[in-house]
Amino acid sequence: GAVVSQHPSRVICKSGTSVKIECRSLDFQATTMFWYRQFPKQSLMLMATSNEGSKATYEQGVEKDKFLINHASLTLSTLTVTSAHPEDSSFYICSARSQGTYNEQFFGPGTRLTVL
Amino acid sequence: SQKIEQNSEALNIQEGKTATLTCNYTNYSPAYLQWYRQDPGRGPVFLLLIRENEKEKRKERLKVTFDTTLKQSLFHITASQPADSATYLCALRSLSGGYNKLIFGAGTRLAVHP
Repeated sequence: GAVVSQHPSRVICKSGTSVKIECRSLDFQATTMFWYRQFPKQSLMLMATSNEGSKATYEQGVEKDKFLINHASLTLSTLTVTSAHPEDSSFYICSARSQGTYNEQFFGPGTRLTVL
Repeated sequence: SQKIEQNSEALNIQEGKTATLTCNYTNYSPAYLQWYRQDPGRGPVFLLLIRENEKEKRKERLKVTFDTTLKQSLFHITASQPADSATYLCALRSLSGGYNKLIFGAGTRLAVHP
């Protein structure tokens, strides 16, 4: 299957700082990318959906000014957690889908964010 | 409200037995349903997809059934091995706001003991 990478895999930051997480599709062009957040022992919660070159669509309850998403190219999406606080500590997972693979989404390995 | 429920938080079975995991959903009409495996600290890995007009799908030791009347999918692992120990997630496709989104259940943790 297709490969999706995320960087960094782990990040620890101080409260109030901003953190950027990158998501790349390595061997296909991702027309749509998704960002999920997962708290311990809970399901993956969809945060936002982005199409290349368009503004992201955020799920209800997700602050778009806090979680900035950029999908500037067909192989790269970034999620920036602005002014991070301890409650933002979570496991962030991106997923990518290419045009034509209507059904299958490929997931990245996740990024563990810890805000002190 | 829409819900996806998976049968239990943890399922312990003996190596060689068949593991059966359940996914029930309410207030959805999914065209298809997917199962994923997730290991600790990792992203989900796609296993199987089953469409609404399919009753059963198989892949090696895995079998998925889909009953749209009962609104339930069953996921079976036959001849289970300790390496099958992981969390298994069921996911439904939801079309909302013009976007096709994958919504996940909380997962069932499977532990296969030697």
